Amino acid sequence: GDSVTQMEGPVTLSEEAFLTINCTYTATGYPSLFWYVQYPGEGLQLLLKATKADDKGSNKGFEATYRKETTSFHLEKGSVQVSDSAVYFCALSNFNKFYFGSGTKLNVKP
Amino acid sequence: EAGVAQSPRYKIIEKRQSVAFWCNPISGHATLYWYQQILGQGPKLLIQFQNNGVVDDSQLPKDRFSAERLKGVDSTLKIQPAKLEDSAVYLCASSFGTGAYGYTFGSGTRLTVV
Repeated sequence: GDSVTQMEGPVTLSEEAFLTINCTYTATGYPSLFWYVQYPGEGLQLLLKATKADDKGSNKGFEATYRKETTSFHLEKGSVQVSDSAVYFCALSNFNKFYFGSGTKLNVKP
Repeated sequence: EAGVAQSPRYKIIEKRQSVAFWCNPISGHATLYWYQQILGQGPKLLIQFQNNGVVDDSQLPKDRFSAERLKGVDSTLKIQPAKLEDSAVYLCASSFGTGAYGYTFGSGTRLTVV
């Protein structure tokens, strides 16, 4: 069945460092891909999405490119801030079903 | 637009008691989802409604959990009787159609069973 695998955390970075959180997926057909962010004590917020191959989703300095050839949707940010500390979930939507990865906790230190 | 509303925000109950959570989705969103998120894990789908019909409840522990979506708008999730392992955040989400463009989540209800 469809699934999402993302790198385990926690990931600890210093402010202004480059961020990559890896995400790969398994799916039939043509899924849509998402990154959600969950700040402490809050619900999940959609960070960015891509609905077809080679699409790049971007928001708040974060980017991810839908790579069908490598079945990946890695999240990147050029310069992280302390306020980016949160848990990041990769997810896919396919045939009216949604699948989440297990989440990657990001800690950004000043 | 208003977001997905959930209540209560927090709930503490003793094991074997019952509890109910309420969700009001975004206006016009036909699909509504209830997820269970245990601390340190990703959300797990409990039940999915399309309007007021159930699309998927394969992971709902039906011996103790029940959910309804009367009139295809608000939804209620109930646990009776609660167990210690039900301690989690219960998230409600809605989408306009199939979710191909993403879901909108509510802030969740944090349940602690003692």
